[in-house]
Amino acid sequence: QVQLQESGPGLVKPSQTLSLTCTVSGGSIRGSHHYWGWIRQSPGKGLEWIGYIYYTGSTYYHPSLQSRVAISVDTSRNQFSLTLTSLTAADTAIYYCARRSRYAFDMWGKGTKVTVSS
Amino acid sequence: DIQLTQSPSFLSASVGDRVTITCRASQHISNYLNWYQQKPGKAPNLLIYAASTLQSGVPSRFSGSGSGTEFTLTISSLQPEDFATYYCQQFNDYPYTFGQGTKVEIK
Repeated sequence: QVQLQESGPGLVKPSQTLSLTCTVSGGSIRGSHHYWGWIRQSPGKGLEWIGYIYYTGSTYYHPSLQSRVAISVDTSRNQFSLTLTSLTAADTAIYYCARRSRYAFDMWGKGTKVTVSS
Repeated sequence: DIQLTQSPSFLSASVGDRVTITCRASQHISNYLNWYQQKPGKAPNLLIYAASTLQSGVPSRFSGSGSGTEFTLTISSLQPEDFATYYCQQFNDYPYTFGQGTKVEIK
């Protein structure tokens, strides 16, 4: 059974950079036509897709975040990571990592709460 | 971006009731529509993908239908564990978007 687990800081200051990592266990991040992505949830914006990556490094990002976001993959550690720059209070949310199958996000991590505040 | 509008936003129902939630897309999305269930403090859980295909392990009282711009999620007989918030999500075009959610509460 594939499991995903997010890790990273819970509190980040405005204008700083957020870095989160998702560790995949119970299966390989390589191949199988799966993409590995990030979704966030806030009271104001609801669920928002951020982007995802294939194990080869191909990425797809939400256009509204594209200038501030980067997703990378480390196949040797079976991990992928999110970097979000120039944070504001609007980036406060629960961040989920998730596996994208052919049709849907079929596996999710438990989520990690990130607060942007000085 | 494709907008997804769910109705109702809030629903009060009793155990055993038949419940229907609607999701309308702002443009044609074929059958690229998924449904998720989210309980408080938990991540969303995939229920139905491609509008009508039940995800493995999901009870058969859940069903989905629709294509184009109008979709429905039906729970044939509401169970205590079904009280949660339900979201639709489109997979037809970037950026992927979600509906605003429908909260199902106990009457």
